[in-house]
Amino acid sequence: AQKITQTQPGMFVQEKEAVTLDCTYDTSDQSYGLFWYKQPSSGEMIFLIYQGSYDEQNATEGRYSLNFQKARKSANLVISASQLGDSAMYFCAMREPQMDSNYQLIWGAGTKLIIKP
Amino acid sequence: DSGVTQTPKHLITATGQRVTLRCSPRSGDLSVYWYQQSLDQGLQFLIQYYNGEERAKGNILERFSAQQFPDLHSELNLSSLELGDSALYFCASSPGTILRETQYFGPGTRLLVL
Repeated sequence: AQKITQTQPGMFVQEKEAVTLDCTYDTSDQSYGLFWYKQPSSGEMIFLIYQGSYDEQNATEGRYSLNFQKARKSANLVISASQLGDSAMYFCAMREPQMDSNYQLIWGAGTKLIIKP
Repeated sequence: DSGVTQTPKHLITATGQRVTLRCSPRSGDLSVYWYQQSLDQGLQFLIQYYNGEERAKGNILERFSAQQFPDLHSELNLSSLELGDSALYFCASSPGTILRETQYFGPGTRLLVL
């Protein structure tokens, strides 16, 4: 079964609009972490934002915020006031405890976001 | 710039050959992770090292091996290469192994097997 599901393979958004990228996850652990990364066409993987399962507040980092709904197991990334430079692939990833107490990142398939001028 | 360096940036080789990818983690980071990103399989965790010791294994083929040296740099060795090994190989690092640590990624090595 998919652990991380990103249901939007691609999205077109008008510049300056807000955009929400969906991510749902599946885990039976109470303690886990959710990450979002951005991968521009140049290929590098850039960390954007982190949400811990026990964090009381939704995470925010500049124009990025995370709409964390624990009961629904969703961790959607919201980008406010989108810019042309936001065009990229966006990956949601989860880190959960493994049997050997190590924490690997499990990745979604990604959403390709294109910002239109 | 994440502070993680990877060399080479691009690698073109033939089937059956062996290559070595190199990674230097951010200063102070003890954990190194290797990931493979391919078109058909997406991003997959391969292996993790912590302070010189193997800590976790993911979907790493037997033809692949890795190590972390005393200076904490890591190498990923890929042997008997096949066309399907063509992918972007990322190294990432983090300070330790706790849950909420961010993994910072290097620029990747793009491997093309012909």
